[in-house]
Amino acid sequence: EDKVVQSPLSLVVHEGDTVTLNCSYEVTNFRSLLWYKQEKKAPTFLFMLTSSGIEKKSGRLSSILDKKELFSILNITATQTGDSAVYLCAVFGRGYSTLTFGKGTMLLVSP
Amino acid sequence: DGGITQSPKYLFRKEGQNVTLSCEQNLNHDAMYWYRQDPGQGLRLIYYSQIVNDFQKGDIAEGYSVSREKKESFPLTVTSAQKNPTAFYLCASKTQLDQPQHFGDGTRLSIL
Repeated sequence: EDKVVQSPLSLVVHEGDTVTLNCSYEVTNFRSLLWYKQEKKAPTFLFMLTSSGIEKKSGRLSSILDKKELFSILNITATQTGDSAVYLCAVFGRGYSTLTFGKGTMLLVSP
Repeated sequence: DGGITQSPKYLFRKEGQNVTLSCEQNLNHDAMYWYRQDPGQGLRLIYYSQIVNDFQKGDIAEGYSVSREKKESFPLTVTSAQKNPTAFYLCASKTQLDQPQHFGDGTRLSIL
């Protein structure tokens, strides 16, 4: 059975802090790992990682994948209150047909 | 604008009642998905469909049914056999290529 574990499950930081969110996985036939941000409704896509060691970056967010150690991290620098959300990690296994999700990390950025 | 539309946003179910959640997409995506999200939990896959007139069970299909008669539409019925239906339901779609899934805004279902 495919498994995705995220840590921590929740986190409170002050505006301006840097945070690192973790995602480890055990998946048959790993294809890629995805990060989503979920505020109140639809998860919105952040990154899709397929190759080890290549950092993907978008503004203050960045992510990297380690296929040998089976984990990924999502970094957010200079956090803002608008970064408060649940961050979901998911993995494509069993081909590209279905995603297995972790439970998410709830991030609260206080002003 | 292209996107995924779920309706209604909020739905209440009485005991013994079946209810149907709508999901429509105009992205021309082949594959569509239904997920259930409970508080503090990730998304769990209910059903998915990779092509019209075909669908597969996900991890928690019991008490749910789907149909895929048109490419744009993938309705989910929550039957009376689903004893704990209170949850947030998300529909998603993607192309058949190695692309991310895109999500609708969800339907929140509660028991009366």
